[in-house]
Order: sequence, then C-alpha cells, then structure tokens
Amino acid sequence: AQSVTQLGSHVSVSEGALVLLRCNYSSSVPPYLFWYVQYPNQGLQLLLKYTTGATLVKGINGFEAEFKKSETSFHLTKPSAHMSDAAEYFCAVSGRLGSSNTGKLIFGQGTTLQVKP
Amino acid sequence: NAGVTQTPKFQVLKTGQSMTLQCAQDMNHEYMSWYRQDPGMGLRLIHYSVGAGITDQGEVPNGYNVSRSTTEDFPLRLLSAAPSQTSVYFCASSYTSGTGSSGYTFGSGTRLTVV
Repeated sequence: AQSVTQLGSHVSVSEGALVLLRCNYSSSVPPYLFWYVQYPNQGLQLLLKYTTGATLVKGINGFEAEFKKSETSFHLTKPSAHMSDAAEYFCAVSGRLGSSNTGKLIFGQGTTLQVKP
Repeated sequence: NAGVTQTPKFQVLKTGQSMTLQCAQDMNHEYMSWYRQDPGMGLRLIHYSVGAGITDQGEVPNGYNVSRSTTEDFPLRLLSAAPSQTSVYFCASSYTSGTGSSGYTFGSGTRLTVV
C-alpha cells in the first residue's frame, strides 16, 4: 500500500531563510509525487509534481523538489521564504499508469509553514 | 472551463438525515476522488473512480456511497449522517497518460456540519 510521511507538522522560518519541508513515501514501485499548498479557508493548489523525466522539478512561487528514489524522498525547498508563503503544505503520492494504485492519490498529514518577519 | 464544481458550499444536517454532495468536472478527466479534511489529519480519501462505472474504496469509506454514471459527475452520498462526519469535503479530478499525470484539480470544498 502507498503511504506518505511528512516530517514535522509545523515548521517556522524567518523571512528570507531557506524553506525545507520533508516528505518520504512508501510504494512498491516509483510513484507519481505531488506537493500541494492550502491557504486558510481555501482549496488546494498544485505546487509541483514529479511524474516522468527530470527528478528535480520546479513549481510555482519559486518552490522546487527533488525525487530521490534511493531515499524514497521528495522534499520541498525554496531558497528564500516570503511572508506570503505561510500556508499548509501537503505531500501526496499516486500510482503510475498501469499500476494497481493508478488514480489513487494519498496525502500526508500536512506541514504548516510559519514565516516570521 | 469551470474546472471542478462542488455544491453546496455549506450544509447543516441533523443526525440521521441523508444527503448528496455534488461534484462535476468539465475537463474530461478519467479519475475523480472524494476527500474529507479534518484538523491535524490531512486529507483522507473516501472513495475514488478510475472511469465511468468504476469506483473503489479509499481510506475512510464507511458511511458514504458513490457512483459514477458519467465521466463528468461523481456524487457522494451520506446515508445516515453522524456528528463524526462533520468535516470539509473536497472533490478532485485528474487524468493520466503515457507522459504522466496532470495532477489532481480540486473543487472549492463543502463545509458540512452534522448536529
């Protein structure tokens, strides 16, 4: 079965500092991986995804993530935090096309990012 | 394109009542899913569908039914509402091809309170 673990339910950084949100997955075959962001009282917005090709993926708002198969990780980073980055971030996994988990998207429990002035 | 449309946005039910949360997408996506979001628990998958006529259970299916008679629509039915079903519900859709996944597009959510 697929699963996702996000290390740290709350992360606090200073404005301008590096943002690092950790995500590890469990899957029998390399899955599709996603990061979503949710601002207060809003829906979920796709930040970036890894499905095929390059393992370092760039997303919106200056975020990027690297798929590391050997570490079963997909950590989210941003070089310099802005106040507007304060939100909840979710890592998610689904099966590749043709796998038993195709189309089944499972989420981690989320990490709340606080950005201090 | 409207994307994923959920109705209603807010609903209050009494314990034991039944209701249907509506979800429609206009992107011709094959995959659709329902989630519930509760504080500190992330989003948990209730049911999902990989195409018209095909549905499967997710992580927390008890108390909910789904059907998918068309590609566009994926309603979620609460059979007999319980206070434990108070939550925010999200519907989402996506497609997958040989080049990868589109990533799920989410609706704006339904905030349900069961009293």
